Amino acid sequence: ETGVTQSPTHLIKTRGQQVTLRCSSQSGHNTVSWYQQALGQGPQFIFQYYREEENGRGNFPPRFSGLQFPNYSSELNVNALELDDSALYLCASSLDLAGVPKNIQYFGAGTRLSVL
Amino acid sequence: QKEVEQDPGPLSVPEGAIVSLNCTYSNSAFQYFMWYRQYSRKGPELLMYTYSSGNKEDGRFTAQVDKSSKYISLFIRDSQPSDSATYLCAMSPDNYGQNFVFGPGTRLSVLP
Repeated sequence: ETGVTQSPTHLIKTRGQQVTLRCSSQSGHNTVSWYQQALGQGPQFIFQYYREEENGRGNFPPRFSGLQFPNYSSELNVNALELDDSALYLCASSLDLAGVPKNIQYFGAGTRLSVL
Repeated sequence: QKEVEQDPGPLSVPEGAIVSLNCTYSNSAFQYFMWYRQYSRKGPELLMYTYSSGNKEDGRFTAQVDKSSKYISLFIRDSQPSDSATYLCAMSPDNYGQNFVFGPGTRLSVLP
């Protein structure tokens, strides 16, 4: 186990609704990244948070937003849900520290979101 | 052409076999290469992390990178049923942890 925990495990929403997903990073890790993994595909980078600020963003619309809290935990919010948002949402934590490769990320088990 | 392509699988092998998993890519800027293992209903787990071309060995796993051919491989020796999972390659042009591109994954089954 990586020590990265996500909640809830599963979620069912209807089109147009809003959803909030939560992530607790591994102890001591100060950077959190979020990914979307569609069925049969590899994860796609949504955004990354460091020191409570968005620190980089992939090709996702503004209705995908996030927060990071002082304890480094994080939320992913998705507004105006669309059917194509159905996917596994993964959170990964890493340590932003000199000499530590930032590409070394530890993933949680994910939240499976179904949009009907 | 997708930026990262991976043998689609699924791949079934007998226990003890040597497994070869492969990815090709089109972006010559990629410098960092990773292999992840993802069990069903779990998140990806980092297996191997390499920089630039060359080989890296860790136990039963060997990662190879050939940047001139834009081709990377993961070899698993003495495969075990516990190796049954989806294997994802990932690559990045930098070490900022933001610009990963993952392959779609290859599902591997190791039969006892």
